[in-house]
Amino acid sequence: DTAVSQTPKYLVTQMGNDKSIKCEQNLGHDTMYWYKQDSKKFLKIMFSYNNKELIINETVPNRFSPKSPDKAHLNLHINSLELGDSAVYFCASRGAGAYEQYFGPGTRLTVT
Amino acid sequence: SQQGEEDPQALSIQEGENATMNCSYKTSINNLQWYRQNSGRGLVHLILIRSNEREKHSGRLRVTLDTSKKSSSLLITASRAADTASYFCATVSGGTSYGKLTFGQGTILTVHP
Repeated sequence: DTAVSQTPKYLVTQMGNDKSIKCEQNLGHDTMYWYKQDSKKFLKIMFSYNNKELIINETVPNRFSPKSPDKAHLNLHINSLELGDSAVYFCASRGAGAYEQYFGPGTRLTVT
Repeated sequence: SQQGEEDPQALSIQEGENATMNCSYKTSINNLQWYRQNSGRGLVHLILIRSNEREKHSGRLRVTLDTSKKSSSLLITASRAADTASYFCATVSGGTSYGKLTFGQGTILTVHP
């Protein structure tokens, strides 16, 4: 009965590879987000979808492509991985009319 | 640049003591939120204070907001070892922000039993 889940929890891969991270929420929320937390624990918004529509697209390399097949799912695909992509990626969701966000457990991506 | 900056960056106290963390931000906001992150886990929402509020309480948590100084503080009273975590403030701006959270750098709190 996890509210926001992400898979995988850990991802170790080599430079140049392509990988995907999946997120699902069972809270019935309309809006979902991807955040990146760097090695200094700084969190920064990357993307947001509302009812499958992209509403926030921060300055992120176009190697990163989010996809929302339905409002309960938001996936993140990363092409041509670089060392600097190593970080923890968090998915979050928010209900309509509310401001608090519910976060997933995170995916620790390590690029070697 | 960061919206929120927090101090101290790290705080170490004994169980039973109070812990105070501060957050400053740069632009006008709709609300400010505090989140907790336990090691290796996701963030958990603690409390939200709106721009027209000055103080809010939730259990052992007390949050203040001073919009003239663009600052907020989080007070945890009678701390417990289980309060050991990183604490982040996050702001939501007005206008068409779509609820986007802009985070501070965080305060690492260690509570010693």
